[in-house]
Amino acid sequence: EVQLVESGGGLVQPGRSLRLSCTASGFTFGDYAMSWVRQAPGKGLEWVGFIRSKAYGGTTEYAASVKGRFTISRDDSKSIAYLQMNSLKTEDTAVYYCTRVRISGVGAFDIWGQGTMVTVSS
Amino acid sequence: QLVLTQSPSASASLGASVKLTCTLSSGHSSYAIAWHQQQPEKGPRYLMKLNSDGSHSKGDGIPDRFSGSSSGAERYLTISSLQSEDEADYYCQTWGTGIHVFGTGTKVTVL
Repeated sequence: EVQLVESGGGLVQPGRSLRLSCTASGFTFGDYAMSWVRQAPGKGLEWVGFIRSKAYGGTTEYAASVKGRFTISRDDSKSIAYLQMNSLKTEDTAVYYCTRVRISGVGAFDIWGQGTMVTVSS
Repeated sequence: QLVLTQSPSASASLGASVKLTCTLSSGHSSYAIAWHQQQPEKGPRYLMKLNSDGSHSKGDGIPDRFSGSSSGAERYLTISSLQSEDEADYYCQTWGTGIHVFGTGTKVTVL
């Protein structure tokens, strides 16, 4: 079964850091780009960023709202994608979803994880 | 600027059909999109990728009741024979070089 499982969410104070993990199974992880999408309480979906497959250099792209604060990385040997979130703000409070996308990072998000909640509050 | 526009809500009776619209911003009418469904208190689920010519490819296990079509800059999702479990938020998504964009979502109510 193709599956993505996020972990690492929780309550964190403004200005602090948190790292989320996305563990993949059921497909060849290295053949895909991986993306993160978030959803603030009661709001719509917001793309956060993605990392291309190693075949496309493993390069990253980010939404303007998180650029310079968030970093996406991947460990193909473990089939895990990471979202490192620094300098967190209260407006980063959201459910964070991991998604799969085509190798170059272009295309539909065809697999979604169940999400992990991040609450930024003092 | 790449933007997707969706109506906030739609409704139809049980067993009827509903057609949702996602409109691409000016200059982007050739773009493909994807449709995603989010049932209450659940994560999103991929429904289909929809091309500008109306061809589409659905995700695994998506019922035949869900279909897509296109006209110019508009992309449609039609749900036929509405079921109670179709009551959900529906988001369209598109992509460019180094960017992904979501529409604001349409809430479908089954009457």
